[in-house]
Order: sequence, then structure tokens, then C-alpha cells
Amino acid sequence: NAGVMQNPRHLVRRRGQEARLRCSPMKGHSHVYWYRQLPEEGLKFMVYLQKENIIDESGMPKERFSAEFPKEGPSILRIQQVVRGDSAAYFCASSKRPTLGDEQFFGPGTRLTVL
Amino acid sequence: AQSVSQHNHHVILSEAASLELGCNYSYGGTVNLFWYVQYPGQHLQLLLKYFSGDPLVKGIKGFEAEFIKSKFSFNLRKPSVQWSDTAEYFCAVMPYSSASKIIFGSGTRLSIRP
Repeated sequence: NAGVMQNPRHLVRRRGQEARLRCSPMKGHSHVYWYRQLPEEGLKFMVYLQKENIIDESGMPKERFSAEFPKEGPSILRIQQVVRGDSAAYFCASSKRPTLGDEQFFGPGTRLTVL
Repeated sequence: AQSVSQHNHHVILSEAASLELGCNYSYGGTVNLFWYVQYPGQHLQLLLKYFSGDPLVKGIKGFEAEFIKSKFSFNLRKPSVQWSDTAEYFCAVMPYSSASKIIFGSGTRLSIRP
């Protein structure tokens, strides 16, 4: 029973390039969450998606960041025109029935470094 | 604003010492509470959770936590730590109104001297 998968595990981009981070939830989970962890800080919520829908994007920066969770395939977190401040670890989590109290299972994260 | 405070950034203990990591949250309504652990090089794992019922919650690896509603606290405890408990520990809160958004504390790094 595979857990939450994220790829790539490490991503290096130059300023101005685009970064695409992928997350495959656990089998049977249709709820996906993205969190960002800056150095020496805790995880900060970014966005919550359910298949084809954005449920809560209150933690997403207003510009350059977008997320999707299509009917088929992984969830994608996309960062356009990256800047040095985007360097962080990005974690994805999935849940089966969050409204019934199911926990969130986390992936290994993608460490983004912007040069 | 909703927030979670972890009092200690870095705790250093010897093996067999007792552990208590503090966690306080600010939210006036009903919450679900969690402690997650991140071992070196690994992803976040759930240690224990509180949703309702007995405020003393037992988790994996001998950890427990007590929810004290009047103090808005959810401290993590272990009577005797092991070297393998070296990790970063995150307290987290999910307000009932949040549609499953989890709010994390900044983490406590625990180092155990063998």
C-alpha cells in the first residue's frame, strides 16, 4: 500500500524559471493538501483540493502560484517565475474522509532550491 | 488569528530522561489536535491525535499527550526517551471550521545523547 508520492524529491531552478511539483495521493484518497516549510519554520498551509476542485486556497500567494488536481493524474503545484524566497520544502498530504476525522498522510516532500 | 505555539525550539536530553514538549494554541472553538514527528531524512508521521473523549491520548512508541481545554494546551510526554527518538516534533491543530486545514507549530528539535 504505497503512501503519498511526491516528485521530484529535489528541484533546482534559476530565478525566473517555472517549477512544477507533483503529488500522487494514497490510493482511495481524493483530498489533497499542499504545505510549505521555510527553513527553521513549521509547515504552512497553502491549498486544499478535491478532485477537479479547489476547496480552500487561503494560504496561496496571490501571484505566480497555482494548483490543480485533475480527474486523472497527480496534483500539481506550479510556481511561475521563481524567486529565491520560494526556496523551501513543499509537502503534500492526502486524506480519505476529512469531514469524518480521517488524518492527513504526508509525502516525503520536494525541496526546491532557487539559484 | 489561529496559531500554535511550541515553547522549545531545541531540547537536548540524555537517554532514559523524561520528556515533555509544550504546545499551546489560540482558537476559541472546537479543535482536533495532533502531534507529528519527522525523523531525520524521513517524512512527517502521525504520533497521536485527539478528536474527542478521554483527554489523555496514547500514541505510538510510548508517547502520550494530554489535552487541557482550559489552558488551550496539548503537551507531549514520554517517561523515558531513547536515542531513536531524535527527531523534530510538530504540534498541530485543525479547527472544526477549517474544512480540514491543519495549522502547525514551528516545531521542536529533540536531540538525545546516547
